[in-house]
Amino acid sequence: KQEVTQIPAALSVPEGENLVLNCSFTDSAIYNLQWFRQDPGKGLTSLLLIQSSQREQTSGRLNASLDKSSGRSTLYIAASQPGDSATYLCAVSNQAGTALIFGKGTTLSVSS
Amino acid sequence: SQTIHQWPATLVQPVGSPLSLECTVEGTSNPNLYWYRQAAGRGLQLLFYSVGIGQISSEVPQNLSASRPQDRQFILSSKKLLLSDSGFYLCAWSVRRIRGTDTQYFGPGTRLTVL
Repeated sequence: KQEVTQIPAALSVPEGENLVLNCSFTDSAIYNLQWFRQDPGKGLTSLLLIQSSQREQTSGRLNASLDKSSGRSTLYIAASQPGDSATYLCAVSNQAGTALIFGKGTTLSVSS
Repeated sequence: SQTIHQWPATLVQPVGSPLSLECTVEGTSNPNLYWYRQAAGRGLQLLFYSVGIGQISSEVPQNLSASRPQDRQFILSSKKLLLSDSGFYLCAWSVRRIRGTDTQYFGPGTRLTVL
């Protein structure tokens, strides 16, 4: 059974720092991996999707990498801003299924 | 552009009462549709997904059910709510795929409190 773990559970940084969020999964036979952002009491916003054949994806100050063989992904946020404060969720899609399996998220707080 | 709606936004219900949450998608056809629940400290859990009208797959056993009466409408129901049904319910859609899933787009969610 696929399990997704995110470390750390919470992270506080001052504005301007570069930071890395970690995600690991137990079954490497994934179809893709997605990173989402969730603001308090809101739905999820898709940030990046990495196909299983890809190594990384970039969008603005965000860069996500995927090492499928080791079951790991990282989300790199450059020059963090207070507006980046939110919970970041990692999710994988297995090849046999059509749904996502989520980690519990990392709650990020960026102070000005 | 595609839009996903959920209602109601918040709901407070007594134990044993029925439930009906609705989700509709605009601007796309033949989507995959999903119901997730987010409970405190437990992360996001997939409840149901649907690849077409009348086609529902259940991921976990529970007292909830789902229906898809129209292509872009997904309904989550219960005949009798339990305290453990409290949580944040999220509907999502993605482009239809036979295997795997593309980017999923989430609705604003419904906060359900069962007292």
